[in-house]
Amino acid sequence: EAEVAQSPRYKITEKSQAVAFWCDPISGHATLYWYRQILGQGPELLVQFQDESVVDDSQLPKDRFSAERLKGVDSTLKIQPAELGDSAMYLCASSSGLAGNYNEQFFGPGTRLTVL
Amino acid sequence: AQSVTQPDIHITVSEGASLELRCNYSYGATPYLFWYVQSPGQGLQLLLKYFSGDTLVQGIKGFEAEFKRSQSSFNLRKPSVHWSDAAEYFCAGSSGDKLTFGTGTRLAVRP
Repeated sequence: EAEVAQSPRYKITEKSQAVAFWCDPISGHATLYWYRQILGQGPELLVQFQDESVVDDSQLPKDRFSAERLKGVDSTLKIQPAELGDSAMYLCASSSGLAGNYNEQFFGPGTRLTVL
Repeated sequence: AQSVTQPDIHITVSEGASLELRCNYSYGATPYLFWYVQSPGQGLQLLLKYFSGDTLVQGIKGFEAEFKRSQSSFNLRKPSVHWSDAAEYFCAGSSGDKLTFGTGTRLAVRP
């Protein structure tokens, strides 16, 4: 069964350092999402791509976060510099539909980031 | 603003007992509604979804949920809980493709 892959699964870094997370969606899925899940809360959307284009990054802290999906397949989320408040689980999801229309989102296992 | 509320942060039930997890939504129109489960260290798995029609929705793993428009609720139920059901459960709403999640309910199962 096809799955969304994410790496690394765990990352510990010191504040002010740069970190990057990688996501490989299910093959053929046009839409890709990055969520942040702070401990004790539900996931919150950071950025949404359709193919290589950003559809929604209204909740992405653009002073320190960046995301790209250069070839419309896999994606990278970067934080530079990391802050203590960035400690969270970062989830990637993909769906086969186009942005704006509901299609089931399939979630990866997430990357748990700890900033010291 | 659109929101989903899960009033119970933590619930403990005995194995074999019935379960009900509460979810309330606040949307301008009836949203699509979902329940997800997240096991420790894992991503989210969709249990069931409601779009329209029959207000009692069957999902995977023996779960069901009932949509009640008058109460703006979409509660998740299971008649007999198994130890493997211990996990965190998230209710979510959507008016398109954007999911809004509740804060989750952590379920513990007593042997």
